[in-house]
Amino acid sequence: DGGITQSPKYLFRKEGQNVTLSCEQNLNHDAMYWYRQDPGQGLRLIYYSQIVNDFQKGDIAEGYSVSREKKESFPLTVTSAQKNPTAFYLCASSIGISNSGANVLTFGAGSRLTVL
Amino acid sequence: AQKVTQAQTEISVVEKEDVTLDCVYETRDTTYYLFWYKQPPSGELVFLIRRNSFDEQNEISGRYSWNFQKSTSSFNFTITASQVVDSAVYFCVLSSGNTPLVFGKGTRLSVIA
Repeated sequence: DGGITQSPKYLFRKEGQNVTLSCEQNLNHDAMYWYRQDPGQGLRLIYYSQIVNDFQKGDIAEGYSVSREKKESFPLTVTSAQKNPTAFYLCASSIGISNSGANVLTFGAGSRLTVL
Repeated sequence: AQKVTQAQTEISVVEKEDVTLDCVYETRDTTYYLFWYKQPPSGELVFLIRRNSFDEQNEISGRYSWNFQKSTSSFNFTITASQVVDSAVYFCVLSSGNTPLVFGKGTRLSVIA
């Protein structure tokens, strides 16, 4: 079955460490996204990518980095520069980002990062 | 600027009651899309419905129904005869222009048996 796989599901990190969250999709979608979810805050966009080797900052990109070397993969690195990284991270994909109604997002199950 | 407002942060209802989740949006575009997503306790968001700005017809899918009114910029979601399995966070979402989606902050629905 097609879908999005995020790993790990739970991750603990010490302050000052970088961590990388994995996101893989087999839906042949062009666009991929990373969102951060905090209690009562809804979803906030970190980074998105419309095509391989290209990505754009979202609303809260500071302290995060991404790469898009393959269409299927869009890993997110939470760097030590991110001051409050404890959150639930959701990866998503869609066919595209044009205003053609194609923006139905498929989400992964999420990764919960806790900084100790 | 695009914006989605879900004024109800949390709602609790008793099973079998009807419940309406409110959504008000802002956009200057004439062509746009509105969505509802459900996030159950497992965490994964699930797509429920998409509606484009030219189609104001209300939609019913089983116990779910949606009321889209451009005059009030609202896209409200009603669950009839609620069930415990409906307990989740529900997000209203706007797609407008060549930009990523704009999410509301979500409404947490608790259905009590």
